[in-house]
Amino acid sequence: EAGVAQSPRYKIIEKRQSVAFWCNPISGHATLYWYQQILGQGPKLLIQFQNNGVVDDSQLPKDRFSAERLKGVDSTLKIQPAKLEDSAVYLCASSPNLGAQYFGPGTRLLVL
Amino acid sequence: AQKVTQAQTEISVVEKEDVTLDCVYETRDTTYYLFWYKQPPSGELVFLIRRNSFDEQNEISGRYSWNFQKSTSSFNFTITASQVVDSAVYFCALSGGGSNYKLTFGKGTLLTVNP
Repeated sequence: EAGVAQSPRYKIIEKRQSVAFWCNPISGHATLYWYQQILGQGPKLLIQFQNNGVVDDSQLPKDRFSAERLKGVDSTLKIQPAKLEDSAVYLCASSPNLGAQYFGPGTRLLVL
Repeated sequence: AQKVTQAQTEISVVEKEDVTLDCVYETRDTTYYLFWYKQPPSGELVFLIRRNSFDEQNEISGRYSWNFQKSTSSFNFTITASQVVDSAVYFCALSGGGSNYKLTFGKGTLLTVNP
């Protein structure tokens, strides 16, 4: 069974630029999560989707971050404009029926 | 509010030693789930185990074992006869019941197993 796919794996941008990340969850997994992991810390949930609806986006900085999950499958996370403090690994995870979460390899973002 | 504390920031052992990673959690939920994830240098989080709050039985999987004690709000992870490939950051995480299931992670413990 294929795992969670993410792209790109690495991205370097300058502050105030925009960037987008893509996630393809495990087939059949209804729930999709985006986490932000700053160096030396545990992942922090940004947004959770159940099918194509948002369940929790309480920790998403909505003035600059947005996410969508079209048709309840793939998802994109966008940052516009990026700040230096957005440098982190962005992890996508999926789970079947709110069970254990399986993570993708992550996208490492560096904002200069 | 939910909280997970992993007091050990870094642990270094020699191969074949046993090592225990501590995890203490706080939650007001009566139904909750506890997890351990491994994050090797490649960066991907690897799921190791999930326990629900009603199941306090200890679990063993090969060289890995987990000790869940509700009385002390702890969910400790032991690796027996450690190997170099066990070197990674290990995260303990907690999720509540209900409709959310979002994971609250500890800060992680960096385990280094030296040959």
